[in-house]
Amino acid sequence: GQQLNQSPQSMFIQEGEDVSMNCTSSSIFNTWLWYKQDPGEGPVLLIALYKAGELTSNGRLTAQFGITRKDSFLNISASIPSDVGIYFCAVNNNNDMRFGAGTRLTVKP
Amino acid sequence: GAVVSQHPSRVICKSGTSVKIECRSLDFQATTMFWYRQFPKQSLMLMATSNEGSKATYEQGVEKDKFLINHASLTLSTLTVTSAHPEDSSFYICSGSDSPYEQYFGPGTRLTVT
Repeated sequence: GQQLNQSPQSMFIQEGEDVSMNCTSSSIFNTWLWYKQDPGEGPVLLIALYKAGELTSNGRLTAQFGITRKDSFLNISASIPSDVGIYFCAVNNNNDMRFGAGTRLTVKP
Repeated sequence: GAVVSQHPSRVICKSGTSVKIECRSLDFQATTMFWYRQFPKQSLMLMATSNEGSKATYEQGVEKDKFLINHASLTLSTLTVTSAHPEDSSFYICSGSDSPYEQYFGPGTRLTVT
């Protein structure tokens, strides 16, 4: 099946720094999503992208849907301790949703 | 809006017994519900998709006789792990959807089989 390559696998940053993570795929998708998962919880949707080239913000988070429809990135600006968690990219093809391997973010105060 | 609950949040059972996990959409009608499994430090892996009133569609490698899914109403789906074994210990997450574009995830159920 289709494979999503998410990087980096983990990040250790200082509070206040900006963060960037991305996902690429070998196939074209019409919907890219970014989720955050806290320990012991289900994923929570951060940003949904539906159009190639779309750039969408949600507070300190910004995500872009690549023009080729094969990639997406998520930026977090001015990180804070509660940004700690695992961030997953996902693609949704008519409710067939697949997840990337996740980026584990640690923010040091 | 779009809240999904799961019960129980944690369950411990003995090897060989069965355990049922409930997934409810609280403020929307989930025409489709999904069950995922997540092992430690891994991503979510789709186990099965179910439409209300229909049989579930299982992903390759997921035993349908072991993981029984019932989607009897637009707000409730259940996953029963039959004859559980320690290797079934995992974090089980459901999601519900009322459109082809988004899924709303439950908080997950931690299953430990001793």
